[in-house]
Amino acid sequence: EAAVTQSPRNKVAVTGGKVTLSCNQTNNHNNMYWYRQDTGHGLRLIHYSYGAGSTEKGDIPDGYKASRPSQENFSLILELATPSQTSVYFCASGAGTGYSGNTLYFGEGSRLIVV
Amino acid sequence: AQKVTQTQTSISVVEKTTVTMDCVYETRDSSYFLFWYKQTASGEIVFLIRQDSYKKENATVGHYSLNFQKPKSSIGLIITATQIEDSAVYFCAMRERPQVVGQLTFGRGTRLQVYA
Repeated sequence: EAAVTQSPRNKVAVTGGKVTLSCNQTNNHNNMYWYRQDTGHGLRLIHYSYGAGSTEKGDIPDGYKASRPSQENFSLILELATPSQTSVYFCASGAGTGYSGNTLYFGEGSRLIVV
Repeated sequence: AQKVTQTQTSISVVEKTTVTMDCVYETRDSSYFLFWYKQTASGEIVFLIRQDSYKKENATVGHYSLNFQKPKSSIGLIITATQIEDSAVYFCAMRERPQVVGQLTFGRGTRLQVYA
């Protein structure tokens, strides 16, 4: 059974609209991450969190906000969506500490199209 | 700034053969971690194998192994006895020790096609 689940899996949004991508993990991991994947760029880190109530900026945070209301849930928020944010978004969880802390467990991805 | 480069965009091999995928990286840090992830056609991304920079022995997990050449800043992924189900996109990634755990820099990926 999938331990990191994302919703929605597919979303079409209008420019200037608000989009919320949600992620739930049952791994009991401290850390959670949001990456986006674009052709020719691999995966790039947007925001991450160390635990409930914490959010931190990754490598490309501009235009995005994040929210971590609980250990299990981590949301990515686009307040004013733009066509340049059309992408596939992946949520991941990780232990955050210890030898296995660097191993990430990814969700299925959320495909967002902004028109 | 760190950088991860995968120069092979796609590779095709016959099943049951061995394939090597290249990855070179740039870092100013003396301590770092290297990873390979696999993305299947369904989009699922799974962790395969890792190499810590301070370890001299090449990591091996199942039919995946690494060719770590630290002086060349190179970490190749070797898949032996390839199977059709190994067809996927393979990403190399790196994390420098000072970075946040899980803050990985990914390469652009190499698409592997295994055919009968």
